[in-house]
Amino acid sequence: DQQVKQNSPSLSVQEGRISILNCDYTNSMFDYFLWYKKYPAEGPTFLISISSIKDKNEDGRFTVFLNKSAKHLSLHIVPSQPGDSAVYFCAASGRGVTSGSRLTFGEGTQLTVNP
Amino acid sequence: SAVISQKPSRDICQRGTSLTIQCQVDSQVTMMFWYRQQPGQSLTLIATANQGSEATYESGFVIDKFPISRPNLTFSTLTVSNMSPEDSSIYLCSVRGQANTEAFFGQGTRLTVV
Repeated sequence: DQQVKQNSPSLSVQEGRISILNCDYTNSMFDYFLWYKKYPAEGPTFLISISSIKDKNEDGRFTVFLNKSAKHLSLHIVPSQPGDSAVYFCAASGRGVTSGSRLTFGEGTQLTVNP
Repeated sequence: SAVISQKPSRDICQRGTSLTIQCQVDSQVTMMFWYRQQPGQSLTLIATANQGSEATYESGFVIDKFPISRPNLTFSTLTVSNMSPEDSSIYLCSVRGQANTEAFFGQGTRLTVV
């Protein structure tokens, strides 16, 4: 049962354009969502997060949008840069001492930004 | 934030042997997490390691195959026992202070079983 899904395994965009990565979830108990970037041979690096009480969070070139009714979130990167090329993972956590600490990850989307 | 040192970074092992992966954190944390990333797949939680108590394993993972130690609040080990080629994965250590904060990851251990 895949509770967090990223339906696009890959995305290719031109440098300077917008990258939009999508993520869907099924568990209504999730209330905190995160995006991670992963380069080969490295651990995931935190990018940005959003709480379920918000519908948007922005940090520089990165913006995360949350649509709770649709159980959907997206990561926008503007403008995209070649250094953004990596695998992006969506993750979610729920409430409670244990479930609030563990993360459930999507399958990842390979973003390629072409110069 | 937390800095996590994980070793080894990679290893090639013979089937039937065991490998112990170490994870050292630069601050005290209550919970440490061990994940597996099989080729081309998502990160899957193996177990949660709590200091002073047994690790809590996720469905599909058992202590005999993946024994975990947590001797103090800054260190944990994961052993992959009696390895087979299907155990070839990246294994990641992670910590998270509390809910609604980010989690931090080690650089991972790339394991190849031949």
